[in-house]
Amino acid sequence: DQQVKQNSPSLSVQEGRISILNCDYTNSMFDYFLWYKKYPAEGPTFLISISSIKDKNEDGRFTVFLNKSAKHLSLHIVPSQPGDSAVYFCAASAIQGAQKLVFGQGTRLTINP
Amino acid sequence: NAGVTQTPKFQVLKTGQSMTLQCAQDMNHEYMSWYRQDPGMGLRLIHYSVGAGITDQGEVPNGYNVSRSTTEDFPLRLLSAAPSQTSVYFCASKRSPDNEQFFGPGTRLTVL
Repeated sequence: DQQVKQNSPSLSVQEGRISILNCDYTNSMFDYFLWYKKYPAEGPTFLISISSIKDKNEDGRFTVFLNKSAKHLSLHIVPSQPGDSAVYFCAASAIQGAQKLVFGQGTRLTINP
Repeated sequence: NAGVTQTPKFQVLKTGQSMTLQCAQDMNHEYMSWYRQDPGMGLRLIHYSVGAGITDQGEVPNGYNVSRSTTEDFPLRLLSAAPSQTSVYFCASKRSPDNEQFFGPGTRLTVL
């Protein structure tokens, strides 16, 4: 039973345009959400997070939106750059600062020049 | 700081063999975890530790053993390797109040 789902295995976007990566979750106990980015042959690196008390969090080109009623979050990257090509994982936890994370399957983002 | 280091980078085992995946961190983080990454499954938590001497099971603990005798090291033992354990293994660490986990570069394990 996949509690965190990323239904798009891959996404291709033109350089300079907006990339939107989606994530859905089923467990209403999840209270904190994170996005990780992974390059080939490297470990994931933390990108941005959001608490359930917010509906939006921005960090430079990256914005995460949370819709609690729909159990849906999305990551927006504007403008997209070639270095953004990577696999993006959505993750959820029951509390902020929790060690136990539940990850989605990942979405491979390719930015085309 | 080296961050989180993992050895080996690659390993091939035969069914039934045992081995230990090493993980070390030099950031004095209390929390350490082991995940496995499989195609279409994302990362799944195997075991985790909140400090030296304290470990607990994650989502997929069967076939794996861990111990935490020091803050720095958190080895993962495969007791009797099976083809289903073919995967990429990631070790991670974090400070207890923080959200961000720092991941190592991974160990790619193939069990024949």
